[in-house]
Amino acid sequence: ETGVTQTPRHLVMGMTNKKSLKCEQHLGHNAMYWYKQSAKKPLELMFVYNFKEQTENNSVPSRFSPECPNSSHLFLHLHTLQPEDSALYLCASSHRDGYEQYFGPGTRLTVT
Amino acid sequence: QKEVEQDPGPLSVPEGAIVSLNCTYSNSAFQYFMWYRQYSRKGPELLMYTYSSGNKEDGRFTAQVDKSSKYISLFIRDSQPSDSATYLCAMSWEETSGSRLTFGEGTQLTVNP
Repeated sequence: ETGVTQTPRHLVMGMTNKKSLKCEQHLGHNAMYWYKQSAKKPLELMFVYNFKEQTENNSVPSRFSPECPNSSHLFLHLHTLQPEDSALYLCASSHRDGYEQYFGPGTRLTVT
Repeated sequence: QKEVEQDPGPLSVPEGAIVSLNCTYSNSAFQYFMWYRQYSRKGPELLMYTYSSGNKEDGRFTAQVDKSSKYISLFIRDSQPSDSATYLCAMSWEETSGSRLTFGEGTQLTVNP
């Protein structure tokens, strides 16, 4: 595997379900990000981890819970989501001191 | 007011046309400007990066920044069907602070054979 991978690629869940999104980077980076991409809206930064430490949380509701066990893996735990949370969730990574972010293909989430 | 404004399109052009994609911004502190390309069902990938004002050319692609007007452009010469994608502008005021990228909403481009 190369680059940034995300699983699953598609997820349909009910509002009472609990699920997790997984991201893995094979680039030797030390910063990882979660973004939300909705139609007709700019990419929204959700969380940032540098060297496994969370450094930014952009007022994301607590029903989204990130976890970064090491510099290569990032999870987004989901529970009691709302239909408006349906979107493409993108993971990205970068060197902490670099400007270029490398994105995964995203997880298309539908909340029913 | 949005920090970054980008016309979402869609923009449809014939093969071989010159394409102009643009973003305006309101924060004069932005110094680093990027264009990402996003194919359908893929994540964005960095296409061009420019610091401060001026032009940068890479093959068929030219990025321009006019800080006095708070306006950036991406030109695609001799456009190809493979250029069909959504183009996102992004900007930051710190080179090393990737966490503070501010994105436009993206312009959807279709190049017709």
